[in-house]
Order: sequence, then C-alpha cells, then structure tokens
Amino acid sequence: GAGVSQSPRYKVAKRGQDVALRCDPISGHVSLFWYQQALGQGPEFLTYFQNEAQLDKSGLPSDRFFAERPEGSVSTLKIQRTQQEDSAVYLCASSFLAGGADTQYFGPGTRLTVL
Amino acid sequence: QKEVEQNSGPLSVPEGAIASLNCTYSDRGSQSFFWYRQYSGKSPELIMSIYSNGDKEDGRFTAQLNKASQYVSLLIRDSQPSDSATYLCAVSFGNEKLTFGTGTRLTIIP
Repeated sequence: GAGVSQSPRYKVAKRGQDVALRCDPISGHVSLFWYQQALGQGPEFLTYFQNEAQLDKSGLPSDRFFAERPEGSVSTLKIQRTQQEDSAVYLCASSFLAGGADTQYFGPGTRLTVL
Repeated sequence: QKEVEQNSGPLSVPEGAIASLNCTYSDRGSQSFFWYRQYSGKSPELIMSIYSNGDKEDGRFTAQLNKASQYVSLLIRDSQPSDSATYLCAVSFGNEKLTFGTGTRLTIIP
C-alpha cells in the first residue's frame, strides 16, 4: 500500500484481556517503530525493529508488552492482561533506512480503551 | 533522561501572521531534529527535518536550529486556518528512536 496501515483502528478490551495490534509498514522499509501516545502527550517510544531483529525494546513499560516482526515486514504488538493505564493510541512508524536520521512515516494508530 | 521541551500552548495567532513554535532539548549530542504536525484524532505528519545549524525553508515553513543553545524552532508564515493543529518537536539522540515533546497546540484565528 501507499502508507503504513494499522489494524484494528479501535479496540475496546476488558481489564485482564489480551490484545494484539497489527502494523503493515511501507513496503521495503527496513525500520519499524512502535510508539504509545497518551491523551495530550507526545508519542513515547516503545520498541524498534531493523528488519526482523528487535534492536531496542527499552520503552516497553512492562513484561506484559511483547512485539514481533518475524519476517521483517508485518509487526504485531501484543499486550497481555491489559490494565486501564494501557489505554492510549498505539502508533506504528516505518522508515526506509536504519538509523535515526531517516524520516519516520506514521500509521493512523490503534486507539485502545481498557475498561 | 534525554528530554525535549515545548510550551503546550495553546498558541493563538491571527490568520496571515507568523506563528513561532519553540523547542529545547537536553542532549548536546543530538543529531536529527524533526517537526511533525498532528491534527486532532490523526497521526503525526512530518513537516520539516533539520540536521545542521541555521535555517531551512520549505514553502511557508522555516525550521531553525541552534545546537549551541540546544534550541530548534519552526516558523509558519502567512498562517492559515488549516495550520491549526498540534506541532510536535522530535529529536533523535544519535540512535534510531525519536524522543518527542508534549506538543504545542496552535490555533489560527480567522
């Protein structure tokens, strides 16, 4: 496709449920990022992949958060035993090159609401 | 912890005037600087990137970088109502991830 796509766009989960959020990056983009954006805040980094390798997961807030990109393309962010504080918009971004200087293109995000 | 600071606003500017948005960052080793625009309920969209000291112009937008003062700004000339959005400053501190400020909400008054 022409841009980064994410699904679902909206997700409502009951506290304690597991959720899986999907990201389809721009074709050919090496780098893939996940960010979490709380209401009224800027995006906060969660994790980074270069192809299929997860090179940085320093932003994942707890071991309930897990991300994968097994074939170096589509990525899934999984949150186990969701808590109310997990409610946020989860943004995926991709860039053509590795390294921080390249433009990151953002997907539309998944808005997660945990009840 | 490496930080990016912005005034949250709201900043109100009359239509046709110049909007000035400011950002400071904590790490002198920072290498790449970006301004993203985010409309309400939408994802961030890149407006400008700047990597070296000085000014960079693109249409009505000018980014200014002063590494000695650890300061980056965005000027929007001839502001239009469609410029009303939240503007996010983002910095790459020499690695891949972006560190964002909290954003400045800009309103252009017709």
